[in-house]
Amino acid sequence: TQLLEQSPQFLSIQEGENLTVYCNSSSVFSSLQWYRQEPGEGPVLLVTVVTGGEVKKLKRLTFQFGDARKDSSLHITAAQPGDTGLYLCAGAKSFQKLVFGTGTRLLVSP
Amino acid sequence: NAGVTQTPKFQVLKTGQSMTLQCAQDMNHEYMSWYRQDPGMGLRLIHYSVGAGITDQGEVPNGYNVSRSTTEDFPLRLLSAAPSQTSVYFCASSFTGEGQPQHFGDGTRLSIL
Repeated sequence: TQLLEQSPQFLSIQEGENLTVYCNSSSVFSSLQWYRQEPGEGPVLLVTVVTGGEVKKLKRLTFQFGDARKDSSLHITAAQPGDTGLYLCAGAKSFQKLVFGTGTRLLVSP
Repeated sequence: NAGVTQTPKFQVLKTGQSMTLQCAQDMNHEYMSWYRQDPGMGLRLIHYSVGAGITDQGEVPNGYNVSRSTTEDFPLRLLSAAPSQTSVYFCASSFTGEGQPQHFGDGTRLSIL
């Protein structure tokens, strides 16, 4: 059972554009993580959000955890080709067991 | 720093064959886990371990076995490979505690013919 749905599944944009990726669930998570994965490599953690309503910024990336801790978003400002990759959200439900989202594949063209 | 090392990187098997995917970490992490990644489905948890001698099932454990005899190593065994097990397999490790970042290996791409 896939508990975390990400949208869009695929996004192709030009350098300099803004974008938002959504991660939605009907379940409550105690914390939520965002990872980025590049071809041939494993996912790498970008951020962890813990508190409902929390907003974290990582340079041009802004992460928000929903008030009810059921959803999250990732906003990228002025995307660059180096942002290209697969973005995965992952929610923690019990202990450290993570439930991963379906993934959003981002392509930023020069 | 080696981090999480997975071997082999690629493997082709015939239906019914068995094999072991190796995973080793050098960060003294207590928690280790195995995921499979299939298109459009993100990563799904197969098995995990909270320390040497302790393992438990994840979301999709059928057809896979694990053991954890040392802190460093967490091998995944396919008992009798099936085409449905064609996937990319990732091993991850972390310190114990919620919200801990998972450190992933670079994956093993497995094809079952």
